[in-house]
Amino acid sequence: AQSVTQLDSQVPVFEEAPVELRCNYSSSVSVYLFWYVQYPNQGLQLLLKYLSGSTLVESINGFEAEFNKSQTSFHLRKPSVHISDTAEYFCAVSYNFNKFYFGSGTKLNVKP
Amino acid sequence: DAGVTQSPTHLIKTRGQHVTLRCSPISGHKSVSWYQQVLGQGPQFIFQYYEKEERGRGNFPDRFSARQFPNYSSELNVNALLLGDSALYLCASSWSGGGEQFFGPGTRLTVL
Repeated sequence: AQSVTQLDSQVPVFEEAPVELRCNYSSSVSVYLFWYVQYPNQGLQLLLKYLSGSTLVESINGFEAEFNKSQTSFHLRKPSVHISDTAEYFCAVSYNFNKFYFGSGTKLNVKP
Repeated sequence: DAGVTQSPTHLIKTRGQHVTLRCSPISGHKSVSWYQQVLGQGPQFIFQYYEKEERGRGNFPDRFSARQFPNYSSELNVNALLLGDSALYLCASSWSGGGEQFFGPGTRLTVL
C-alpha cells in the first residue's frame, strides 16, 4: 500500500524568509505527485503536480517542488514567503489516477 | 462557471442512521471522487467513479457506497453510522480521473 508522510505538522516562518515543506512517499512503482493548498475557510486547490518529464515543477505563485526518485521525496519550496501564503499544504500521490493518497498536511504560518 | 457543488453543507445524524451526500461536478467533467477528511488529518480516498463505473475504491467498509448518475452527479451513502464517521466529506471532479482534481467545499457530517 502506498503512504505519504509529511514530516512537519506546522511550520512557522517570518515573511520573506525561505521555506521547505517536506513530503516523502512509499511506493515501489512509478507515481504521480501533487501538492494541494487549502487557504482558511476555502476548499482544496491544486498548487502543482509532477506527472513526467522535468523533475522540477513550478507553480504560478512562486512555489516549486522537485521529484527525487531515489529519496522518494517531493519537497515543496519557496525562496521568499508572503503573509498570503499562510495555509495548509497537502502532498498527494497516485500511481494510476484511480486512487489518490494524501499526507496529513502541513500548516504554514507566515508571521510579519 | 460553477465549481464543484456539494449538499448539504452541514449534517447532524445519530449512530445507526443512514446518510446520503450529493455532489455535482464541474460541467463537462465525467469523473467524481469522494474523500473523507477527519479533523487534523489529510483526505482519505473513498471512491472514484468515471462514466458511471467505479474505477477505484479505498480502504473503507461496505457501509460506504456510491453511485454516479447519467448527468455525472454522484451520491455517497453511508449506512449504520458510527461516531467515527464524523468528518468533512469532500467531492472532487476531473475530466477523466487523471491529472487535476477540482474539489468542492465539502459536507460536514457530525454523528452523535
